[in-house]
Amino acid sequence: AQSVAQPEDQVNVAEGNPLTVKCTYSVSGNPYLFWYVQYPNRGLQFLLKYITGDNLVKGSYGFEAEFNKSQTSFHLKKPSALVSDSALYFCAVREKDGNNRLAFGKGNQVVVIP
Amino acid sequence: DAGITQSPRHKVTETGTPVTLRCHQTENHRYMYWYRQDPGHGLRLIHYSYGVKDTDKGEVSDGYSVSRSKTEDFLLTLESATSSQTSVYFCAIREEGPYGYTFGSGTRLTVV
Repeated sequence: AQSVAQPEDQVNVAEGNPLTVKCTYSVSGNPYLFWYVQYPNRGLQFLLKYITGDNLVKGSYGFEAEFNKSQTSFHLKKPSALVSDSALYFCAVREKDGNNRLAFGKGNQVVVIP
Repeated sequence: DAGITQSPRHKVTETGTPVTLRCHQTENHRYMYWYRQDPGHGLRLIHYSYGVKDTDKGEVSDGYSVSRSKTEDFLLTLESATSSQTSVYFCAIREEGPYGYTFGSGTRLTVV
């Protein structure tokens, strides 16, 4: 079965500094990987996904993520954080040839300090 | 969001009563999912459906049942609500092709 680990409960970063949210995954075969963001009292919004091809994926709002197969990681990054980036971030994985289930990590609260 | 609607948005119910949450989509997607979100656990899959009358269990299916009699509707039923089922419930659809998943706005359920 697939699983995701997001090791940090909360990430604090100063506005303007680089932001990194870590994610490692476990699947039997090849993965499809996703990042979602959730603002207070809202649903999940899609940020970006890795399906195949270039390991560096660019997404919405200036976010990007790098797929690293050897380290089974898919860390989310943003070069310069904004206060408005403060939210809950979820990493998710699905097996490419698996059961169509999307498994989520527990989420990381990102706090951008003005 | 890709024509996916959850109802109700909020519900308070008493322990032991049955509760049904509805997810409605307008775009004829085959795959639909029910998740619950709890602090420290992220989103956990309850049940999912891969077609009309075709459903399967997720990782936290105990105490829940689902039905999908039409492509557009996926119902989640708490057979006898317990306080441990107080949560935010999200429905999702899996889009074809790029394999994106779109989520509804959620239902906040409180069992008292």
